[in-house]
Amino acid sequence: AQSVSQHNHHVILSEAASLELGCNYSYGGTVNLFWYVQYPGQHLQLLLKYFSGDPLVKGIKGFEAEFIKSKFSFNLRKPSVQWSDTAEYFCAVSANAGNNRKLIWGLGTSLAVNP
Amino acid sequence: GAGVSQSPSNKVTEKGKDVELRCDPISGHTALYWYRQSLGQGLEFLIYFQGNSAPDKSGLPSDRFSAERTGGSVSTLTIQRTQQEDSAVYLCASSPPGEETQYFGPGTRLLVL
Repeated sequence: AQSVSQHNHHVILSEAASLELGCNYSYGGTVNLFWYVQYPGQHLQLLLKYFSGDPLVKGIKGFEAEFIKSKFSFNLRKPSVQWSDTAEYFCAVSANAGNNRKLIWGLGTSLAVNP
Repeated sequence: GAGVSQSPSNKVTEKGKDVELRCDPISGHTALYWYRQSLGQGLEFLIYFQGNSAPDKSGLPSDRFSAERTGGSVSTLTIQRTQQEDSAVYLCASSPPGEETQYFGPGTRLLVL
């Protein structure tokens, strides 16, 4: 069965620190990959996605993620975090098989950025 | 345009009662998903509707849970004989035709006493 693993459950950083959140998935076929973010009191929103092409994708608010197929990974990065990046971050994977577009979700990483 | 809306935003109920949660997807979106998010947990898939196809109910945790989608638009998630472990945030998402990106609603926070 497919699964998504997010290695860091809680991350605490100071402003201007660099961020990397790990995401690994288990599925040998073609995948579509997503990072979603949930800011405090707000609903989940798409941060970035990878379907095909350049494995380094840029998202909103300076975030980027790199798809490394050989490592089954899709890590999220930001060179310099801000206090406003405090949120819950979720990695999700779709197996893109047939008509079933159900996403498999990681458990999320809670990021707290101290001013 | 309008996003996904859910109602009620909060629901407090007593153990054993039935509850209905509503989701209005974005107009024109053919796919609709229900998830459950418990404290400290990720998103647990419940059910998925795609157009006129039979729904994928593989995530429903028990036969107390059911959902329907009328006219390819509004969906209702029903939980019968609620239990305390049903307390969670229930999220609805929709996707436009041919696209996998899911657009989420604000959720319904359910508390079963």
